[in-house]
Amino acid sequence: DGGITQSPKYLFRKEGQNVTLSCEQNLNHDAMYWYRQDPGQGLRLIYYSQIVNDFQKGDIAEGYSVSREKKESFPLTVTSAQKNPTAFYLCASKGRENEQFFGPGTRLTVL
Amino acid sequence: AQKITQTQPGMFVQEKEAVTLDCTYDTSDQSYGLFWYKQPSSGEMIFLIYQGSYDEQNATEGRYSLNFQKARKSANLVISASQLGDSAMYFCAMMDRGVSYDKVIFGPGTSLSVIP
Repeated sequence: DGGITQSPKYLFRKEGQNVTLSCEQNLNHDAMYWYRQDPGQGLRLIYYSQIVNDFQKGDIAEGYSVSREKKESFPLTVTSAQKNPTAFYLCASKGRENEQFFGPGTRLTVL
Repeated sequence: AQKITQTQPGMFVQEKEAVTLDCTYDTSDQSYGLFWYKQPSSGEMIFLIYQGSYDEQNATEGRYSLNFQKARKSANLVISASQLGDSAMYFCAMMDRGVSYDKVIFGPGTSLSVIP
C-alpha cells in the first residue's frame, strides 16, 4: 500500500539529547513537510523540501534540522537547542493535486 | 502575511443535520489553493476537500462541500447529514505559492461534536 510511515509512534527523550524522527513515503512525491502540533492548536511548519538535497526553513525551524538525501526519506532531528520539544510531530508529502498526505505522527515527550 | 482564521473553536451538531465550519483567509496572491482536513482523536490528518482559487465551481466530495466566496475570502466547509464519526478537529489550510516553494499554512482548527 502507498503511504507515509513515521516512526516511532511514541518517543521519550531526556533533556540535552538529540533525537531523530523518521519519515518515509512510497508515493513518489517530490515535496515533503514537517509540522509540529501542540495540544489544542493547529499545525506549524518546521521544514519543507521540494526536491532531493534541498530544503527550506519553515516558521519554527530553530532547534531542528533535516536532511533529504533520498526522495523517499525526510528525517527530522530535534536537537538539544530546541527549548520545548514536547509535541506531536507530523510528516507530510504533497500530491499531484496539491493536497498533503500525512503520516500517523510521532508523539515526543521530554522527561 | 498569509493567514487563516477559524473563528469557531467548538461546534455541536445533531446527528443527521448539516453543519457549516467557517474559514476566512488572507493573501495577496492570485493563485492559491484551499484545503480542509479532519483530525480524529487518533491524531492522523485526513484530507477532505480542495478548492483552487481559479475554480469556478464549488468543490464537493461526497457529504463535504466547500462554499468558496472569493471576494469575501472565505472557504467554509459544509458537512451534510452529520454522522457520529464526524466528531473531530477540522482544519482549514491554504497553499501559498511563495517565491520558489509551495508552502501550506493551517488555521487553528474547529472542534466538531456530533450529538446522537
